[in-house]
Amino acid sequence: GNSVTQMEGPVTLSEEAFLTINCTYTATGYPSLFWYVQYPGEGLQLLLKATKADDKGSNKGFEATYRKETTSFHLEKGSVQVSDSAVYFCALRQGGSQGNLIFGKGTKLSVKP
Amino acid sequence: DTGVSQDPRHKITKRGQNVTFRCDPISEHNRLYWYRQTLGQGPEFLTYFQNEAQLEKSRLLSDRFSAERPKGSFSTLEIQRTEQGDSAMYLCASSLGTVHPYGYTFGSGTRLTVV
Repeated sequence: GNSVTQMEGPVTLSEEAFLTINCTYTATGYPSLFWYVQYPGEGLQLLLKATKADDKGSNKGFEATYRKETTSFHLEKGSVQVSDSAVYFCALRQGGSQGNLIFGKGTKLSVKP
Repeated sequence: DTGVSQDPRHKITKRGQNVTFRCDPISEHNRLYWYRQTLGQGPEFLTYFQNEAQLEKSRLLSDRFSAERPKGSFSTLEIQRTEQGDSAMYLCASSLGTVHPYGYTFGSGTRLTVV
Protein backbone atom coordinates (compact mmCIF):
# COMPACT_ATOMS: atom_id res chain seq x y z
CA GLY A 1 0.00 0.00 0.00
CA ASN A 2 0.90 3.65 -0.14
CA SER A 3 3.09 4.98 2.64
CA VAL A 4 5.34 7.86 3.65
CA THR A 5 8.50 7.54 5.72
CA GLN A 6 10.22 10.58 7.16
CA MET A 7 13.22 10.97 9.39
CA GLU A 8 12.68 10.60 13.09
CA GLY A 9 12.98 13.63 15.28
CA PRO A 10 13.39 15.65 17.21
CA VAL A 11 15.80 17.77 15.22
CA THR A 12 17.51 20.58 17.12
CA LEU A 13 19.39 23.28 15.21
CA SER A 14 20.91 26.63 15.92
CA GLU A 15 19.49 29.69 14.22
CA GLU A 16 20.81 30.17 10.65
CA ALA A 17 21.76 26.48 10.32
CA PHE A 18 20.90 24.45 7.24
CA LEU A 19 17.89 22.17 7.51
CA THR A 20 17.17 18.88 5.77
CA ILE A 21 14.26 16.62 6.69
CA ASN A 22 14.24 13.43 4.67
CA CYS A 23 11.04 11.98 3.23
CA THR A 24 10.60 8.92 1.04
CA TYR A 25 7.40 7.41 -0.24
CA THR A 26 5.87 4.25 -1.63
CA ALA A 27 3.01 4.65 -4.07
CA THR A 28 1.65 3.36 -7.32
CA GLY A 29 1.41 5.69 -10.24
CA TYR A 30 2.19 9.36 -9.88
CA PRO A 31 1.15 10.79 -6.53
CA SER A 32 1.24 14.43 -5.55
CA LEU A 33 3.57 15.23 -2.67
CA PHE A 34 3.21 17.76 0.14
CA TRP A 35 4.87 19.19 3.20
CA TYR A 36 2.62 20.40 5.99
CA VAL A 37 3.68 22.30 9.10
CA GLN A 38 2.01 22.31 12.49
CA TYR A 39 2.94 25.12 14.87
CA PRO A 40 2.24 24.61 18.58
CA GLY A 41 -1.48 24.82 19.30
CA GLU A 42 -2.43 25.30 15.66
CA GLY A 43 -3.83 23.24 12.82
CA LEU A 44 -1.87 21.81 9.92
CA GLN A 45 -0.87 24.30 7.25
CA LEU A 46 0.23 23.49 3.73
CA LEU A 47 3.87 24.53 3.38
CA LEU A 48 4.59 23.45 -0.19
CA LYS A 49 3.63 20.90 -2.79
CA ALA A 50 4.77 19.23 -6.01
CA THR A 51 2.50 17.42 -8.40
CA LYS A 52 4.86 15.71 -10.84
CA ALA A 53 8.39 14.40 -11.13
CA ASP A 54 11.17 17.02 -11.00
CA ASP A 55 8.77 19.71 -9.77
CA LYS A 56 10.21 21.89 -7.02
CA GLY A 57 7.86 23.24 -4.39
CA SER A 58 8.95 26.31 -2.45
CA ASN A 59 7.54 28.62 0.18
CA LYS A 60 8.92 30.81 2.99
CA GLY A 61 12.49 29.79 2.14
CA PHE A 62 11.69 26.07 2.26
CA GLU A 63 12.16 23.89 -0.83
CA ALA A 64 11.54 20.28 -1.80
CA THR A 65 12.05 18.52 -5.15
CA TYR A 66 9.92 15.59 -6.32
CA ARG A 67 12.44 12.86 -7.18
CA LYS A 68 10.71 9.91 -8.79
CA GLU A 69 13.92 7.93 -9.31
CA THR A 70 14.63 7.92 -5.57
CA THR A 71 10.96 8.24 -4.49
CA SER A 72 11.94 11.15 -2.28
CA PHE A 73 10.72 14.63 -1.39
CA HIS A 74 13.27 15.99 1.09
CA LEU A 75 12.55 19.33 2.76
CA GLU A 76 15.37 21.89 2.89
CA LYS A 77 15.94 25.40 4.14
CA GLY A 78 19.19 27.27 3.92
CA SER A 79 18.93 29.27 7.14
CA VAL A 80 16.38 28.37 9.81
CA GLN A 81 14.88 30.81 12.28
CA VAL A 82 13.50 30.30 15.78
CA SER A 83 10.02 30.86 14.31
CA ASP A 84 10.46 27.72 12.16
CA SER A 85 10.18 25.56 15.27
CA ALA A 86 7.24 23.25 14.57
CA VAL A 87 6.34 19.72 13.52
CA TYR A 88 6.75 19.00 9.81
CA PHE A 89 4.73 16.34 8.01
CA CYS A 90 5.42 14.84 4.61
CA ALA A 91 2.32 13.56 2.81
CA LEU A 92 1.20 12.11 -0.48
CA ARG A 93 -2.06 12.13 -2.34
CA GLN A 94 -2.69 9.22 -4.60
CA GLY A 95 -4.09 10.09 -7.99
CA GLY A 96 -7.83 9.73 -8.36
CA SER A 97 -10.85 11.55 -7.06
CA GLN A 98 -10.65 10.64 -3.37
CA GLY A 99 -8.25 13.35 -2.39
CA ASN A 100 -7.33 11.90 0.98
CA LEU A 101 -3.75 12.36 2.12
CA ILE A 102 -1.34 9.80 3.57
CA PHE A 103 0.98 11.35 6.13
CA GLY A 104 4.34 10.47 7.59
CA LYS A 105 4.78 10.45 11.36
CA GLY A 106 6.11 13.98 11.53
CA THR A 107 9.46 15.47 12.47
CA LYS A 108 9.69 17.94 15.31
CA LEU A 109 12.11 20.80 14.67
CA SER A 110 13.44 23.00 17.46
CA VAL A 111 15.56 26.01 16.53
CA LYS A 112 17.63 27.60 19.29
CA PRO A 113 18.71 31.26 19.20
CA ASP B 1 -14.25 33.66 6.21
CA THR B 2 -12.49 32.44 9.31
CA GLY B 3 -11.25 29.11 7.98
CA VAL B 4 -12.24 25.67 9.21
CA SER B 5 -13.73 25.70 12.71
CA GLN B 6 -13.93 22.75 15.04
CA ASP B 7 -15.84 22.50 18.27
CA PRO B 8 -15.05 21.73 21.01
CA ARG B 9 -11.28 22.24 21.16
CA HIS B 10 -10.96 19.78 24.02
CA LYS B 11 -13.23 17.02 25.30
CA ILE B 12 -12.69 14.79 28.31
CA THR B 13 -15.12 11.92 28.65
CA LYS B 14 -15.51 8.76 30.64
CA ARG B 15 -15.10 5.43 28.93
CA GLY B 16 -18.41 4.20 27.54
CA GLN B 17 -19.90 7.65 26.98
CA ASN B 18 -20.86 9.01 23.58
CA VAL B 19 -19.24 12.14 22.19
CA THR B 20 -19.97 14.32 19.18
CA PHE B 21 -17.67 16.77 17.44
CA ARG B 22 -18.60 19.46 14.98
CA CYS B 23 -16.72 20.85 11.98
CA ASP B 24 -17.66 23.97 10.04
CA PRO B 25 -15.74 24.04 6.74
CA ILE B 26 -14.94 27.04 4.60
CA SER B 27 -18.32 27.96 3.17
CA GLU B 28 -17.63 27.40 -0.53
CA HIS B 29 -15.72 24.15 -0.02
CA ASN B 30 -17.67 21.10 -1.14
CA ARG B 31 -15.28 18.46 0.20
CA LEU B 32 -14.87 17.72 3.88
CA TYR B 33 -12.44 15.27 5.46
CA TRP B 34 -12.00 13.80 8.93
CA TYR B 35 -8.62 12.61 10.17
CA ARG B 36 -7.38 11.22 13.48
CA GLN B 37 -3.96 12.01 14.89
CA THR B 38 -2.49 10.14 17.84
CA LEU B 39 0.56 11.25 19.79
CA GLY B 40 3.73 10.98 17.77
CA GLN B 41 1.93 9.97 14.59
CA GLY B 42 0.81 11.70 11.47
CA PRO B 43 -2.88 12.22 10.75
CA GLU B 44 -4.76 9.16 9.50
CA PHE B 45 -7.69 9.43 7.13
CA LEU B 46 -11.09 8.47 8.51
CA THR B 47 -13.73 9.57 6.02
CA TYR B 48 -14.69 12.21 3.51
CA PHE B 49 -17.77 13.88 2.09
CA GLN B 50 -18.49 15.53 -1.19
CA ASN B 51 -21.38 17.82 -0.43
CA GLU B 52 -23.70 15.69 1.73
CA ALA B 53 -22.58 12.32 0.34
CA GLN B 54 -20.12 10.26 2.37
CA LEU B 55 -17.95 8.79 -0.39
CA GLU B 56 -15.16 7.00 1.43
CA LYS B 57 -14.63 5.44 4.85
CA SER B 58 -11.36 4.10 6.19
CA ARG B 59 -11.11 0.75 7.91
CA LEU B 60 -10.15 2.81 10.98
CA LEU B 61 -13.76 3.96 11.18
CA SER B 62 -15.29 1.22 13.30
CA ASP B 63 -19.01 0.71 13.75
CA ARG B 64 -18.88 2.94 16.82
CA PHE B 65 -18.00 5.92 14.64
CA SER B 66 -20.50 7.74 12.48
CA ALA B 67 -20.18 10.93 10.50
CA GLU B 68 -22.78 13.09 8.86
CA ARG B 69 -22.87 16.19 6.75
CA PRO B 70 -26.50 17.23 6.44
CA LYS B 71 -27.17 19.73 3.67
CA GLY B 72 -23.52 19.65 2.68
CA SER B 73 -22.49 22.30 5.16
CA PHE B 74 -21.19 21.47 8.66
CA SER B 75 -20.29 17.94 9.64
CA THR B 76 -20.51 15.96 12.86
CA LEU B 77 -18.43 13.00 13.97
CA GLU B 78 -19.96 10.86 16.70
CA ILE B 79 -18.18 8.19 18.69
CA GLN B 80 -20.39 5.82 20.65
CA ARG B 81 -19.27 3.85 23.70
CA THR B 82 -15.87 5.53 23.78
CA GLU B 83 -12.76 3.50 24.57
CA GLN B 84 -9.40 4.68 25.86
CA GLY B 85 -7.92 3.92 22.45
CA ASP B 86 -10.14 6.62 20.96
CA SER B 87 -8.07 9.28 22.73
CA ALA B 88 -6.59 11.37 19.92
CA MET B 89 -6.79 14.65 18.07
CA TYR B 90 -9.63 14.64 15.54
CA LEU B 91 -8.92 16.91 12.60
CA CYS B 92 -11.29 18.24 10.01
CA ALA B 93 -10.25 19.65 6.64
CA SER B 94 -12.08 21.06 3.67
CA SER B 95 -11.26 21.70 0.04
CA LEU B 96 -12.88 22.98 -3.11
CA GLY B 97 -13.29 19.72 -5.00
CA THR B 98 -11.45 19.21 -8.23
CA VAL B 99 -10.85 22.89 -8.90
CA HIS B 100 -8.28 23.00 -6.12
CA PRO B 101 -7.73 19.34 -5.38
CA TYR B 102 -4.59 19.97 -3.43
CA GLY B 103 -5.70 22.87 -1.32
CA TYR B 104 -6.77 21.40 1.96
CA THR B 105 -7.49 23.75 4.84
CA PHE B 106 -7.29 22.09 8.23
CA GLY B 107 -9.04 23.10 11.42
CA SER B 108 -7.22 23.25 14.75
CA GLY B 109 -8.72 19.95 15.82
CA THR B 110 -10.67 18.52 18.75
CA ARG B 111 -8.54 16.78 21.35
CA LEU B 112 -10.42 13.86 22.90
CA THR B 113 -9.29 12.28 26.15
CA VAL B 114 -11.11 9.16 27.31
CA VAL B 115 -10.57 8.41 31.00
